[in-house]
Amino acid sequence: DAGVTQSPTHLIKTRGQQVTLRCSPKSGHDTVSWYQQALGQGPQFIFQYYEEEERQRGNFPDRFSGHQFPNYSSELNVNALLLGDSALYLCASSSGRGYTFGSGTRLTVV
Amino acid sequence: QQQVKQSPQSLIVQKGGISIINCAYENTAFDYFPWYQQFPGKGPALLIAIRPDVSEKKEGRFTISFNKSAKQFSLHIMDSQPGDSATYFCAPKRENNDMRFGAGTRLTVKP
Repeated sequence: DAGVTQSPTHLIKTRGQQVTLRCSPKSGHDTVSWYQQALGQGPQFIFQYYEEEERQRGNFPDRFSGHQFPNYSSELNVNALLLGDSALYLCASSSGRGYTFGSGTRLTVV
Repeated sequence: QQQVKQSPQSLIVQKGGISIINCAYENTAFDYFPWYQQFPGKGPALLIAIRPDVSEKKEGRFTISFNKSAKQFSLHIMDSQPGDSATYFCAPKRENNDMRFGAGTRLTVKP
């Protein structure tokens, strides 16, 4: 199954720490978007990467940064973690309008 | 960022019944109107989508109805099954921009 792969699946971090989440897009997809989904809420758009550049950004602080590699995989970095950053982080890849989501990384900040 | 309003928040339907979920949007530049289905512990999965040049699209038991003048679109699930129990999100978008998700509707189909 060449779907979207995210790692790790679960992560526990302490306030103030930094975290890196990883995403491998579906085969043939060149665009990667990251979303934050708090419990019981809809996904909130963080940013989108295309051709190794940040193409769009949602309403998230600069503590959230990312990167896309030449093989289209992507990383999401969050610095100075806050308790409110606890959420499911979703990666979605696309090559047009249809998006394929991974199962997400569950981040818990304690 | 309240561009998309989804209703109801939760819905309970008997097996075999019709489930209807609505989505109202503000941005007239949206040109792609998908519905996503999410099961616990999984990411959202595209269920069905419509372009603004048609008013209805049907795929199996799932139908999207689109009302451009009212800036609304809805998801109809016919013959609802317990396996349809999930959270549903509308997520309209415009070209070269990302999706804006609604808050979600938790559907429970009782056997």
